[in-house]
Order: sequence, then C-alpha cells, then structure tokens
Amino acid sequence: ETGVTQSPTHLIKTRGQQVTLRCSSQSGHNTVSWYQQALGQGPQFIFQYYREEENGRGNFPPRFSGLQFPNYSSELNVNALELDDSALYLCASSLGAGASEQYFGPGTRLTVT
Amino acid sequence: LAKTTQPISMDSYEGQEVNITCSHNNIATNDYITWYQQFPSQGPRFIIQGYKTKVTNEVASLFIPADRKSSTLSLPRVSLSDTAVYYCLVGDVIDSSASKIIFGSGTRLSIRP
Repeated sequence: ETGVTQSPTHLIKTRGQQVTLRCSSQSGHNTVSWYQQALGQGPQFIFQYYREEENGRGNFPPRFSGLQFPNYSSELNVNALELDDSALYLCASSLGAGASEQYFGPGTRLTVT
Repeated sequence: LAKTTQPISMDSYEGQEVNITCSHNNIATNDYITWYQQFPSQGPRFIIQGYKTKVTNEVASLFIPADRKSSTLSLPRVSLSDTAVYYCLVGDVIDSSASKIIFGSGTRLSIRP
C-alpha cells in the first residue's frame, strides 16, 4: 500500500508567478484535502475534493484552485503568488469526505520571494 | 464553525500520563473530534477520533463529556519520542457536503528524561 506522496518537495517562486503542486492519494482513498501551514501555525484548510468535485472550501481567495483526477490524485494551483503564500502545503487523503481520518503527505515547502 | 482552543505548550517526563484538553464550545451535531500528532518537517499523523464518551486505541484515549464542548487526549506512559505538536480538529464526517475543517493552534508537548 503506497502512502500519500507530494511533489515537488521544495519550490522557490517569485511574487506574481503561478505554481502547481501535486498529490497522489493513498490507494483506495477517494477524497483529497489541501492545507496551508505557515511556520509555527496549525494547518489551515484550503479545500477538499471528493470524487472529483470540490466539497468545501476554507477562507482562501479564488486564486487558490484545485483539481482531482479520476485516479483521485490532485493538484493545487496558486495564481499571482504573494509573499504571504510562503508556507508548507499539505495534502491529505481519506476514505470518505468531511473530517474522516486523514493520511497526510510530507508536504511541499513553497517559498515566494 | 466550531473554533478550537488548546494550551500552547505542555511539559512532562518519561513514563508519565499526559492529558491535553481542547475546547470546542460551538461544536455542531455532526462534528467529530480528531487528534493528530505532528513532528517537525512532517505531515500530521492521525492519533484518534471520537464523537462522545470514551474512545481508546493502542496509543491513546479520547475522553468527551456529554456536552461535547471539550475533549481530552490522554497519552499513557509517554516517552521522549512523543515530543511533538498535537492538534485537535473538529469537523463533520457524516454530511459530506459540510467539510470546513478547523485545526486548533496545536499544543507543543515536550517530554524530558
């Protein structure tokens, strides 16, 4: 059984650029959630995808968007990057929507300069 | 939305029982309480989930009083490897259309020899 994987591990972008982060969910899981975690803070919920449909969104602007593919892998896209977008981006997969038991990937560390 | 409040930090010693409490005064009927553990530079790891009364697994117990406005994670006989940040999460696992997930700010637990 393969766990949740994320790519890339680290990324450096310039303010105003766009970025795409990728996540492969754990085998058999149909739900992917994305979180932003700033240094020293708890994870902040961005959105969740359940069977390829967005299933809830946190307080993030529309420039944060996502996709879930038929194999349940997922992408997080962030447009017009701002310095405050620098954070660890975590992907979690689960069998079931909502706050079901989630399995987290190692995260992608994004630095915006 | 149910906001959660946890102590910022706690200290204990190896072999002791540690209890971490989380307040969630506005918890909704369908919300479950979930606890995660996070080590530096890693994604959170599921510990335990419950709805009411007491839940126990091989690593922890979760106590939830009848009014469900708080919960207590109990770690029996902690070791140095339990030094981590512990997050309380409240969210809906029944109604898949309601998935605004809120992590607490986390409790930094330090275990000393």
